[in-house]
Amino acid sequence: SQQGEEDPQALSIQEGENATMNCSYKTSINNLQWYRQNSGRGLVHLILIRSNEREKHSGRLRVTLDTSKKSSSLLITASRAADTASYFCATDKSGGGADGLTFGKGTHLIIQP
Amino acid sequence: EAQVTQNPRYLITVTGKKLTVTCSQNMNHEYMSWYRQDPGLGLRQIYYSMNVEVTDKGDVPEGYKVSRKEKRNFPLILESPSPNQTSLYFCASRGTQETQYFGPGTRLLVL
Repeated sequence: SQQGEEDPQALSIQEGENATMNCSYKTSINNLQWYRQNSGRGLVHLILIRSNEREKHSGRLRVTLDTSKKSSSLLITASRAADTASYFCATDKSGGGADGLTFGKGTHLIIQP
Repeated sequence: EAQVTQNPRYLITVTGKKLTVTCSQNMNHEYMSWYRQDPGLGLRQIYYSMNVEVTDKGDVPEGYKVSRKEKRNFPLILESPSPNQTSLYFCASRGTQETQYFGPGTRLLVL
């Protein structure tokens, strides 16, 4: 079952602008992670935010988490052409005795030069 | 270099012909998973393993088998592939941290 749902499904912006992607999930979580996938390739971990954290930064990335609304957002500031990729949020199954991640369907981000 | 490798990277086969996709990691990770990625559906977990000889079903296990005889290897077996198993497959591993490391993917076409 899909835990996370990203919004929007696709986003096209100009280089230098900020890109914001949102993710909603259904059940309680230990942490929420964001991954990037360049066309058809493996996923790369970007950032993890724990359930007791509200905001986290890593370079040009800013992630927020609102557990009361079961939602998260990923902000990429000062976008670059190399940021063109699909972005997925994922929730961790390990708190429920299983392992692995439940992914959303992703946001496809296109940065126009 | 720390990595997860998968082989083959591309595979075309016919319905019913058994195949195995290998996955290997060199990070001494306990946890490994297989996912499939389909357009409009995102990634869905097929099977996972929490250590040697410990495997369990994920969200879409039907038609797949796995084994974990060694810590580094986690092969995905399709005993009788069908066209609905045409997909992009990813192996992933993690250690004590929650971050997953993904392989480069195996693109499978079942005719």
